[in-house]
Amino acid sequence: NAGVTQTPKFRILKIGQSMTLQCAQDMNHNYMYWYRQDPGMGLKLIYYSVGAGITDKGEVPNGYNVSRSTTEDFPLRLELAAPSQTSVYFCASRSDSYSNQPQHFGDGTRLSIL
Amino acid sequence: KNEVEQSPQNLTAQEGEFITINCSYSVGISALHWLQQHPGGGIVSLFMLSSGKKKHGRLIATINIQEKHSSLHITASHPRDSAVYICAVKAGNQFYFGTGTSLTVIP
Repeated sequence: NAGVTQTPKFRILKIGQSMTLQCAQDMNHNYMYWYRQDPGMGLKLIYYSVGAGITDKGEVPNGYNVSRSTTEDFPLRLELAAPSQTSVYFCASRSDSYSNQPQHFGDGTRLSIL
Repeated sequence: KNEVEQSPQNLTAQEGEFITINCSYSVGISALHWLQQHPGGGIVSLFMLSSGKKKHGRLIATINIQEKHSSLHITASHPRDSAVYICAVKAGNQFYFGTGTSLTVIP
């Protein structure tokens, strides 16, 4: 029972490089979210999706892109990495089978931009 | 401007003590989510509630929609309860998070 799987767990990038953070869930959840967590701050929503083919911006979308071609996968892309994007990234998913279902989180990706 | 405020930021308790963590919010919500983040970083859902009170083992969560306030209580605290407790509110399709309360329970 995998739940929400994020890869990689750790990554170091140089300024200007690009990369994709992977997120997959096996619970058939329609809702998926990407958050970043900075020291001393609450989680901030980057992008979210309410179903395959539908994505929307959250609070802090600049510098990121997402796609949702399948229900299972919700990758997050950094095109030109900047030091301000050093953070811990969490992916989460949620069912919409009835209202107020909790989010299920992945274990996070710790990303450093040097 | 933070939509969600938690207090206290840090809390140290002796094993066995009754613990209360508070969460206040400023936006209209459909539900409130209490989460636990372990020292290793993983985040686990504790409760999702939209009214009243929920209980699971030694954990109790309450919410007062009119006062825009929720509390998380831990009875008979134990060192394994040491973690960061996070309050999040659901507004529309999005969640807004507090900065967390870091709890340390000393044996």
